[in-house]
Order: sequence, then C-alpha cells, then structure tokens
Amino acid sequence: AQKVTQAQTEISVVEKEDVTLDCVYETRDTTYYLFWYKQPPSGELVFLIRRNSFDEQNEISGRYSWNFQKSTSSFNFTITASQVVDSAVYFCALTRGATNKLIFGTGTLLAVQP
Amino acid sequence: DAGVIQSPRHEVTEMGQEVTLRCKPISGHDYLFWYRQTMMRGLELLIYFNNNVPIDDSGMPEDRFSAKMPNASFSTLKIQPSEPRDSAVYFCASSTSGAPLLNEQFFGPGTRLTVL
Repeated sequence: AQKVTQAQTEISVVEKEDVTLDCVYETRDTTYYLFWYKQPPSGELVFLIRRNSFDEQNEISGRYSWNFQKSTSSFNFTITASQVVDSAVYFCALTRGATNKLIFGTGTLLAVQP
Repeated sequence: DAGVIQSPRHEVTEMGQEVTLRCKPISGHDYLFWYRQTMMRGLELLIYFNNNVPIDDSGMPEDRFSAKMPNASFSTLKIQPSEPRDSAVYFCASSTSGAPLLNEQFFGPGTRLTVL
C-alpha cells in the first residue's frame, strides 16, 4: 500500500537558518509522482513542486531545493536562509501510480522565528 | 484566471441539518477532488471525478456523505444528516490530464464546517 511519512511534526528555526523537511514514501508502483504543498496560516494549499519517479534530478528554485532519492524512497525539501514568511505546514504527497489520487503525509509545521 | 472556487467559506450548522458544499473547478480541468482536513486524520481524499463521473469514492466516510458533479463546472458535497464529528475543513481541488500539468492539483480556499 502507498504511504507517506513525515516524521517531523514540528520544526522551529530562527530566521536565516537552513532547514530540511523529510519525506519518506512507500509504494510498489514503478510510475508515480511526488509533490510538496505548502499550507500557510491562511489555510489554502499551495503547490510547490512535482517530481515523477523517473526523474531523480535534484531541483532548486530560489531558496527552495528538493532532493529525490529512489534508493532511500525519500523526497526531502530544504529551505535555505529561512524567512518568517516560510512559516507554514508543509505536506509531502504521493500519487497512486500514474493516477491523480494523492496520498498526503501528516505534514510538518515549520515555525520560523524572527 | 480564476482558481478553484468554493462556497460557502464558512458554515455553522446544528447536528442533524443538511449541509451542501459547492465547488467550481478551474475551467478546462477534467478532474475534481474533494478532501477533508482534520487535526486527527490530516488530509483525506473523499472522492474524485473524471469528466464528471465518480471514479473513486472509497474515502467517503459513510452513507451520510454524497457528492455529485452534474456538469464540468460544478460539484457538490452533501452531508445529511450532519454530525459534530463532520466538523472539518473541506477542500475541493481540480487538475487536468494534459501534460505538463498532469497530476498537479489546484486547491480551492476550503470550506470550514462546524457542526454544533
């Protein structure tokens, strides 16, 4: 069965620190997609990144970077030089195969202190 | 372009009442999803549609919940009768099967439901 584990329930850092959010997934599918979503205090869910199972290249977008390793079934998210506006709950998600059915992790609450 | 639109944004009702949540997906999207978010259970997929047809409703908690999609631009999630344990934020999301946006789901702002 598919499963996403975000072991870090809450993380607190001071502004400008780097922080990594962990995501470990389980699946028997050979084709699947991984996602990160951000949920700020306002409540909406904001898409950050999608990665398919055949693309293990790491990705960098500004202060955000993602490390996908199939060997360890991990898709970790790093924020460099964190800012207060990064404070949010971050969800990692996995599709069921190549379908649109998303399975979410329990989320990591990131608090960035000024 | 307008995103996913949900109404109402907040709903307070009494136990036993019927509740109807509404969603308008992004124009051109052929998938529509209903999620529920609670502290205890996190984000759960309730049901999703493809081209207005329900594909997977295995997440619908019980018969009190029903969802319809009469056309490509409108869906409803109904709870009848409502119970306090239904209190949650209900999200609607839509996506397209066309690359390169395959599988990326766009979420609405959510409806916060409180059942007293």
